[in-house]
Amino acid sequence: GAGVSQSPRYKVAKRGQDVALRCDPISGHVSLFWYQQALGQGPEFLTYFQNEAQLDKSGLPSDRFFAERPEGSVSTLKIQRTQQEDSAVYLCASSSYRGQLREQYFGPGTRLTVT
Amino acid sequence: QQQVKQSPQSLIVQKGGISIINCAYENTAFDYFPWYQQFPGKGPALLIAIRPDVSEKKEGRFTISFNKSAKQFSLHIMDSQPGDSATYFCAAVKYSGSRLTFGEGTQLTVNP
Repeated sequence: GAGVSQSPRYKVAKRGQDVALRCDPISGHVSLFWYQQALGQGPEFLTYFQNEAQLDKSGLPSDRFFAERPEGSVSTLKIQRTQQEDSAVYLCASSSYRGQLREQYFGPGTRLTVT
Repeated sequence: QQQVKQSPQSLIVQKGGISIINCAYENTAFDYFPWYQQFPGKGPALLIAIRPDVSEKKEGRFTISFNKSAKQFSLHIMDSQPGDSATYFCAAVKYSGSRLTFGEGTQLTVNP
């Protein structure tokens, strides 16, 4: 398939554990976004990459959240010392820089549950 | 601070009816307004989008109406079908390649 893929799809972590969430964007897409979606809410922006450069990380809720995209393709969102309030679905989206409608294509998300 | 406000929170419509979801925004820097459809366990998928220089855009059964002076826009789903049952999000973008600011979502149920 040519869509955005995310892994794992589900992750259960004990409070205080570190987690790493992976996003494989659509091949050739320059822009990559991470969003956090709490239950029953709209997605909220976390961070944005253009190629390997992290251009906006203003949405990251704390310094426990860290994202990287070292080669301008796959991205990893890392959450250190997870807390219960981190429980949410983490969505990744990619976009073609040349797309006139700036459409963002979303992956299925990773559901993180912190116990 | 909620920059994009969406209503209603939930909506029940009979098959064949019209579903209407409304959104309002505050920031006049927004210049692109997409609507996303999300099914349980899936990521949001783009339905239709509009720029503020257009008052209406129609694609099949889906129409966006845009009122720039009122800073409001709405999604109309004509001839609603049970398969349309999903959560719908309006969103806004400030400039090319920028992040989406989503509304709170509307859970639509279309009864057979």
